[in-house]
Amino acid sequence: QQQVKQSPQSLIVQKGGISIINCAYENTAFDYFPWYQQFPGKGPALLIAIRPDVSEKKEGRFTISFNKSAKQFSLHIMDSQPGDSATYFCAASPGNTPLVFGKGTRLSVIA
Amino acid sequence: DAGVIQSPRHEVTEMGQEVTLRCKPISGHDYLFWYRQTMMRGLELLIYFNNNVPIDDSGMPEDRFSAKMPNASFSTLKIQPSEPRDSAVYFCASSRQLPYGYTFGSGTRLTVV
Repeated sequence: QQQVKQSPQSLIVQKGGISIINCAYENTAFDYFPWYQQFPGKGPALLIAIRPDVSEKKEGRFTISFNKSAKQFSLHIMDSQPGDSATYFCAASPGNTPLVFGKGTRLSVIA
Repeated sequence: DAGVIQSPRHEVTEMGQEVTLRCKPISGHDYLFWYRQTMMRGLELLIYFNNNVPIDDSGMPEDRFSAKMPNASFSTLKIQPSEPRDSAVYFCASSRQLPYGYTFGSGTRLTVV
């Protein structure tokens, strides 16, 4: 019930391409879905977040798509750049407990 | 604000030794979290505090692990005795409100040989 399943485990994308990372959850009480970005040697940092009352949220080249009926949400990185190479974590919470994190996706953007 | 400060950045110790990891959260953040990161298990929540009080320590793997928060600006995670399987990166994070806006420290990479 508390798991967030993230895929793929790793991803290689050409510069300028679209990176897509997916997450699925079971707990219907979850109502906050953030994505965190982690560079090597650093802690994760909040990238973008969504609540289930909207189906999409966009911030610059980063977009979260949310499908409440399927209990899935995804991160899309448009025009991927080498500087986007990092590990990305999805997470979820029902709002009154700590975040549950996915296992992470290591993204490599190659020129 | 200097962010969440963790020390040491790296720790190499021998099996059986005591290890203490330290964290200074952001001032004004009422919540403090300790996470462990491994390739196999990702980010695991070990324990979290609210206003210096431990709320949930169900993620602490064994009695060898203990955590304290004696005041609002300092927390420790202690492993005694340490074992090779404890090797991981340990993160401290803080936030003003559950579950929003976590700020993570840069982590402590622990190697137990």
